[in-house]
Amino acid sequence: GNSVTQMEGPVTLSEEAFLTINCTYTATGYPSLFWYVQYPGEGLQLLLKATKADDKGSNKGFEATYRKETTSFHLEKGSVQVSDSAVYFCALMDSSYKLIFGSGTRLLVRP
Amino acid sequence: KAGVTQTPRYLIKTRGQQVTLSCSPISGHRSVSWYQQTPGQGLQFLFEYFSETQRNKGNFPGRFSGRQFSNSRSEMNVSTLELGDSALYLCASSTGQHNEQFFGPGTRLTVL
Repeated sequence: GNSVTQMEGPVTLSEEAFLTINCTYTATGYPSLFWYVQYPGEGLQLLLKATKADDKGSNKGFEATYRKETTSFHLEKGSVQVSDSAVYFCALMDSSYKLIFGSGTRLLVRP
Repeated sequence: KAGVTQTPRYLIKTRGQQVTLSCSPISGHRSVSWYQQTPGQGLQFLFEYFSETQRNKGNFPGRFSGRQFSNSRSEMNVSTLELGDSALYLCASSTGQHNEQFFGPGTRLTVL
């Protein structure tokens, strides 16, 4: 079946460091891929998306490229801020319109 | 546009009771999906409604049910509550195609 695997957290970085959160997926066909972010006590916010191979989603300095050959959608940011501290979820949308999420990666950015 | 709203934000119930949660989608969105979030199981899909019809259902017992009204607002109901039902319940709305889903703030349910 369809699934998403994310790197285990927590990821702890200093402010202005480079961020990578790995995400790989297993799916039939070519699902749309998403990154969502969850701040403490809140729901999920859509961070970025990609709908086909080689698409690059980007938002607020975050980027991720849909790599069909490696079935990956890694999240990157060149310079993290303390305000980026949150839990990040990678997800795919299957053919029946439901989102399948990874387990989430907690990011802690220290000043 | 106003975002997805969920009420109530917090609920405390005891085992055996039932509960109803409400979700109002973004204006113009016809699809509403429900997810359960727990520390142990993560985010799991409950069901999805589109134009008042349940289009998809996750792997949850029949105690979990839902419905959607003609104005696209949705409710989910959990009967005979168990301790394991304690979770954050998230509602998401979309246009109903393979597009992004926008989430509400969630309802935190605690079962004692």
